[in-house]
Amino acid sequence: SQQGEEDPQALSIQEGENATMNCSYKTSINNLQWYRQNSGRGLVHLILIRSNEREKHSGRLRVTLDTSKKSSSLLITASRAADTASYFCATDHTGTASKLTFGTGTRLQVTL
Amino acid sequence: DADVTQTPRNRITKTGKRIMLECSQTKGHDRMYWYRQDPGLGLRLIYYSFDVKDINKGEISDGYSVSRQAQAKFSLSLESAIPNQTALYFCATSEPGLDEQYFGPGTRLTVT
Repeated sequence: SQQGEEDPQALSIQEGENATMNCSYKTSINNLQWYRQNSGRGLVHLILIRSNEREKHSGRLRVTLDTSKKSSSLLITASRAADTASYFCATDHTGTASKLTFGTGTRLQVTL
Repeated sequence: DADVTQTPRNRITKTGKRIMLECSQTKGHDRMYWYRQDPGLGLRLIYYSFDVKDINKGEISDGYSVSRQAQAKFSLSLESAIPNQTALYFCATSEPGLDEQYFGPGTRLTVT
């Protein structure tokens, strides 16, 4: 299986702190995406980074990609209680016709 | 109105029964996907379709079948449900060149 791995599996922080979660994958990619899932609901796309990019920003989100280490990180700055959710990385692997392979997710809890 | 809808949202069925999960989208996307989510395993791809005449198996297609009735409709069937098919099922859509996927709200299926 090409399924990626994320760490930590769970993260608990206080509101205002930064949250960092990591994703590793096994084979070369076209792009890597991050999704958020509120409890038991559908996934929402957050940000996409292509294999030729090293860093990307969107609002309070910062994503980095290191293709030599086959890893990515998602940083959420100044976390809010509303950021409480599960976060998944998804990889579009070279030669797989735009299918996504999802990681196992990081459960983020932001407390007041 | 939601762009990707799934029916039913919750379903309890017995072992051996045939069940169909339906997905409809108003986004006008050609590509549609079915995933299942189990606790701790992230999402796994069951089937995908890149247009009405195109159906492809995903990572875990055994025990499932699909039908693409129209560009906007993609149904997933369990011919003879078994308890280990108890899971959360998601439909998603995408468009070539945009890469991100748009998810429905999910169907929680319990097989007793």
